[in-house]
Amino acid sequence: QVQLVQSGAVLKRPGASVKVSCKASGYTFTSYGISWVRQAPGQGPEWMGWVNTPNGQTQYAQNVQDRVTMTVDTSTATAYMDLRNLRADDTGVYYCVRDGPAGEIFFEYWGQGTLVTVSS
Amino acid sequence: QSALTQPASVSGSPGQSITISCTGTSSDVGGYHHVSWYQQFPGKAPKVILYDVSTRPSGVSTRFSGSKSGDTASLTISGLQADDEADYYCSSYTSASTVVFGGGTKLTVL
Repeated sequence: QVQLVQSGAVLKRPGASVKVSCKASGYTFTSYGISWVRQAPGQGPEWMGWVNTPNGQTQYAQNVQDRVTMTVDTSTATAYMDLRNLRADDTGVYYCVRDGPAGEIFFEYWGQGTLVTVSS
Repeated sequence: QSALTQPASVSGSPGQSITISCTGTSSDVGGYHHVSWYQQFPGKAPKVILYDVSTRPSGVSTRFSGSKSGDTASLTISGLQADDEADYYCSSYTSASTVVFGGGTKLTVL
């Protein structure tokens, strides 16, 4: 079965960086894109960006594009999301999500989420 | 990219039907067939219940249906059940090759 297992919760100071990992299993990793979606407390989901797993091509949301880097390691079927210069409003749960079948733009499988808390 | 507009809350009694709207622009909802809907329970990850406006993933109840007219998409839940009480979010592909979500609608089953 498809599984996306993310790294654990972290507490970071403002200005620091965080790197969240997402290990995929149960399917061919390079056959589906991976997106990252975050959700602030009490808020709706926010799409952060997408990485094309075969070649590492990325597309980022405008409001984080200067601070985020999404990468993949195909040898370990793991995706990474690196967010720099953290602010208090970056606090929330970060999800990696697997795209739908080829050409379908929806989020079919979700990781368990990683709580990132930014506080001094 | 602004969030898609959804009503903050809707309610209905068991057995009734409710509809949740999702309004965007011609650059997102109105311009693409890639509108999807997600159901989220407290403390859980969202779960896709519709994609491509009206396609149900395997295992999703036929009580969930979707449609689109112009810049507004709609989710209809028929035969409302107590365990449908959750938050519902729409999302759409955009002309900037990004994805935008709605602000969410809290469904209360009376």
